[in-house]
Amino acid sequence: DARVTQTPRHKVTEMGQEVTMRCQPILGHNTVFWYRQTMMQGLELLAYFRNRAPLDDSGMPKDRFSAEMPDATLATLKIQPSEPRDSAVYFCASGSHLPTRALAKNIQYFGAGTRLSVL
Amino acid sequence: AQSVAQPEDQVNVAEGNPLTVKCTYSVSGNPYLFWYVQYPNRGLQFLLKYITGDNLVKGSYGFEAEFNKSQTSFHLKKPSALVSDSALYFCAVEAAGPDTGFQKLVFGTGTRLLVSP
Repeated sequence: DARVTQTPRHKVTEMGQEVTMRCQPILGHNTVFWYRQTMMQGLELLAYFRNRAPLDDSGMPKDRFSAEMPDATLATLKIQPSEPRDSAVYFCASGSHLPTRALAKNIQYFGAGTRLSVL
Repeated sequence: AQSVAQPEDQVNVAEGNPLTVKCTYSVSGNPYLFWYVQYPNRGLQFLLKYITGDNLVKGSYGFEAEFNKSQTSFHLKKPSALVSDSALYFCAVEAAGPDTGFQKLVFGTGTRLLVSP
């Protein structure tokens, strides 16, 4: 049963510390998304990648957040330094892109999320 | 810019009754519309999508959605609700992007469905 795997599931840290969240997309998927979910803001797209290249990271605070795909099986989201307002659930999702829109599957498969608490 | 609106924060329905979760959208061009469901402490799961064709789309767990172009709506429906359907439901529209094909989704704020026994 193919699934998106996120680690860690829970993270508690102190303000100012670096936080790294990892995501293993479904094998063969070439589009990876990072979302943040909070009660106040709902579900926000932070960034997404196609074939490991960033396609849109306009939703991500650039001064402290960074997202990368070192290889096709790993996506990372880093926060440095972390702040209490970063406390949220961070989701990774992956999907399959096909070049012709009518053929594209267009479905995103979500991981279980990383619940981050910054004290 | 593309957007979706889910006017109800919560929908309450008794088990066995039909349910409707509302969604309206704003998009230029032909819309790609989706419904996702989120159970507690889980990621979102795909339910169904409308790309083109029949206005009534059938999806997982007995859910269906009706695309109405004139009303710019894509309401989620189920003929007979189950207690296990209680969850958070998100409507989404695909946004225009820098290339053709699979793009990012713009999600609504979510509607909590509560099905009582």
